[in-house]
Amino acid sequence: DAKTTQPPSMDCAEGRAANLPCNHSTISGNEYVYWYRQIHSQGPQYIIHGLKNNETNEMASLIITEDRKSSTLILPHATLRDTAVYYCIVRGLSGSARQLTFGSGTQLTVLP
Amino acid sequence: EADIYQTPRYLVIGTGKKITLECSQTMGHDKMYWYQQDPGMELHLIHYSYGVNSTEKGDLSSESTVSRIRTEHFPLTLESARPSHTSQYLCASSEGDYTDTQYFGPGTRLTVL
Repeated sequence: DAKTTQPPSMDCAEGRAANLPCNHSTISGNEYVYWYRQIHSQGPQYIIHGLKNNETNEMASLIITEDRKSSTLILPHATLRDTAVYYCIVRGLSGSARQLTFGSGTQLTVLP
Repeated sequence: EADIYQTPRYLVIGTGKKITLECSQTMGHDKMYWYQQDPGMELHLIHYSYGVNSTEKGDLSSESTVSRIRTEHFPLTLESARPSHTSQYLCASSEGDYTDTQYFGPGTRLTVL
């Protein structure tokens, strides 16, 4: 799986959009971009994933650049409960067991 | 929201005790996983199951064992707990389709004294 690079930390004001960047310059054509988050001491929570096109669900939007070398996770109206470590990972199509490797992620702190 | 459950959420036990960590999912997923994670550290896959009666060890060696007798149930057992087993244990499941998104339970935080 391709390596990703994320800023170690970001702050966001409550109610504003949180834009979390991720670089994945070595991504290959059949690899998906996944985002998870982990609130302290809890299990990781799946947020969203995409291949080429921008994606949106009830939690967030995922914007993937045309060359697919980077992406941005957007939380449109951040709340205090969105404070967590956010992980961007790149994964190939899985036909067998595949460990999730999160890396260091971005600590997002939503400020009141 | 994924329907995957783990019990207990917290467990403190003495050395030498046998324990079983429970994991259940109601999504009918074929694949299930057990990860071990220390605070602030990376996830480590310790067990994996493709389906009923199919289990494999993960990348991180573990003294624990697992069983998969029913699709929805994937318990992890430690025959004789030691302080080195103190960690958070996370269970996950995936549908096994082309995206293979893994959904996690809340975790069990185990402390062995």
